[in-house]
Amino acid sequence: DAGVTQSPTHLIKTRGQHVTLRCSPISGHKSVSWYQQVLGQGPQFIFQYYEKEERGRGNFPDRFSARQFPNYSSELNVNALLLGDSALYLCASSLGSGVKQFFGPGTRLTVL
Amino acid sequence: KNEVEQSPQNLTAQEGEFITINCSYSVGISALHWLQQHPGGGIVSLFMLSSGKKKHGRLIATINIQEKHSSLHITASHPRDSAVYICAVHDNTDKLIFGTGTRLQVFP
Repeated sequence: DAGVTQSPTHLIKTRGQHVTLRCSPISGHKSVSWYQQVLGQGPQFIFQYYEKEERGRGNFPDRFSARQFPNYSSELNVNALLLGDSALYLCASSLGSGVKQFFGPGTRLTVL
Repeated sequence: KNEVEQSPQNLTAQEGEFITINCSYSVGISALHWLQQHPGGGIVSLFMLSSGKKKHGRLIATINIQEKHSSLHITASHPRDSAVYICAVHDNTDKLIFGTGTRLQVFP
């Protein structure tokens, strides 16, 4: 079985641009969560989606948005990129809330 | 003060040594995870526990809910155990809160 997949693996953008990151969960998993991991720190929670509805949002500005599609895949969008948005963006899927999460390999975003 | 604190931040060991990584948290939780992150970023979930103790191979995780403390032990450590080990808790809103990680290096 395929694990959680994310695309792209690496991305370079300039300040002010917009980016879309994609995540495909493990088959059968209905919950997708997004995390931002800045170099040298632990991941920070951004969003959780379950059955296409937002179930939780971390302390991130409105420039960050996400959605979940009928096939449970998900997109994370970041507008008006700042240098501080440079990070590893991790997606994790699970069967539901409060259960073991399975992480994707991440997308490394560099903002110049 | 972070809601999830880990110690030590960095740890070096000789192959074969017994290793302990500690995690303390200050919020109410429904479960605690121990995660392993290798260079390049990929995260693997090692354990999810809400009470007691779990064992998988050379890895043992314990949690004391009353003391809000968990430990990850590695017996007979090996260079391939070198990684960052992260403690994360599900708070009562089901959000995952992560520690900053413990960087472990095991030398042959």
